[in-house]
Amino acid sequence: QQPVQSPQAVILREGEDAVINCSSSKALYSVHWYRQKHGEAPVFLMILLKGGEQKGHDKISASFNEKKQQSSLYLTASQLSYSGTYFCGTGKNTGNQFYFGTGTSLTVIP
Amino acid sequence: EAGVAQSPRYKIIEKRQSVAFWCNPISGHATLYWYQQILGQGPKLLIQFQNNGVVDDSQLPKDRFSAERLKGVDSTLKIQPAKLEDSAVYLCASSLGDFFEQYFGPGTRLTVT
Repeated sequence: QQPVQSPQAVILREGEDAVINCSSSKALYSVHWYRQKHGEAPVFLMILLKGGEQKGHDKISASFNEKKQQSSLYLTASQLSYSGTYFCGTGKNTGNQFYFGTGTSLTVIP
Repeated sequence: EAGVAQSPRYKIIEKRQSVAFWCNPISGHATLYWYQQILGQGPKLLIQFQNNGVVDDSQLPKDRFSAERLKGVDSTLKIQPAKLEDSAVYLCASSLGDFFEQYFGPGTRLTVT
């Protein structure tokens, strides 16, 4: 039931792009994305509530394919501050049984 | 606006002892979550409250874990008796509702020896 993320880890140079995928075996009704830096609590990035929805701010955006039960997070022109572990979180239609994904460790180097 | 407050920040106990964690959510947030995060893993939802009612505790080990949210505001999570595998960071989060972003507290790092 836990969403599976890919890749597990990625190393980027500043300015490069990355895509993180989140797949669920169960139907999805909402997808959250969070970033967690080492030793800190997760911080909210964005939430997608509808299939086909796409959102973005700054150089981080996300899409939600309800039929495929997948969501993707896109990071463009990565910055050092983007380093951390990214988690998707998925909820059922009532919002119950919220599951965080397996996580993707992203490291941006100069 | 004040964030989610948690205490204590760190706790070391021996196995079979009991421990309690406290959480004060953001004012006005009806939904409160307790998560367990084991090192290297994603947060695992233990229990979700809507005001002072439980809406999901399917992953809470009820033989040793208990939680309450009195008056729909503060919440406490208790472990009794603790096991070695309970060593983790316990995160509290709150939100306006099911489909809103969750705001996390700093967490309590529990070490069971």
